[in-house]
Amino acid sequence: EAGVAQSPRYKIIEKRQSVAFWCNPISGHATLYWYQQILGQGPKLLIQFQNNGVVDDSQLPKDRFSAERLKGVDSTLKIQPAKLEDSAVYLCASSLDQYREGSREYFGPGTRLTVL
Amino acid sequence: GENVEQHPSTLSVQEGDSAVIKCTYSDSASNYFPWYKQELGKRPQLIIDIRSNVGEKKDQRIAVTLNKTAKHFSLHITETQPEDSAVYFCAASMVPNKFYFGSGTKLNVKP
Repeated sequence: EAGVAQSPRYKIIEKRQSVAFWCNPISGHATLYWYQQILGQGPKLLIQFQNNGVVDDSQLPKDRFSAERLKGVDSTLKIQPAKLEDSAVYLCASSLDQYREGSREYFGPGTRLTVL
Repeated sequence: GENVEQHPSTLSVQEGDSAVIKCTYSDSASNYFPWYKQELGKRPQLIIDIRSNVGEKKDQRIAVTLNKTAKHFSLHITETQPEDSAVYFCAASMVPNKFYFGSGTKLNVKP
């Protein structure tokens, strides 16, 4: 079974620039998550999708972050404009179905973003 | 929302010793508790999980215990090896599955 794919793996940009990350979840997984992981901390949920609908985006800084999952499969996360504090690893994860109790979550390799 | 606290933040053990990491959660509706291992620069990998209808689960050298009344769960690693060195995260989840993570424990196993 193929895992969660993400690209790019690394990105270096200057503050105020824009950046986009891409995620392809495990085939058949309805639920997709984007997390921000700052060095030394646990993953923090940014947004959660069920198919192509947003379930939770309460911790997404909507003035600069946006995400979409138009066809219910791949997803993109965008930051515009980036700030220094956005430097982190952005992890995408997927699970079979958020409504199935104990549905396991699988992580992608992450995108390490450095904002200079 | 749910709040997960994890202790200790760092743990250093001698090879062959046991390691225990503890987590507490606040929402009694949480019913699924996974543990992840994250090596430096890599993705979190699920190593063991437990559901609320079970008190203990074991997989070779790794075990997890859950006390629903006290709202805490623990990861136990026996006969530790240098390759167990990593950061370990606990998480709590409830339907619809939204995962709340602890702050992580950096485990160092000294040869």
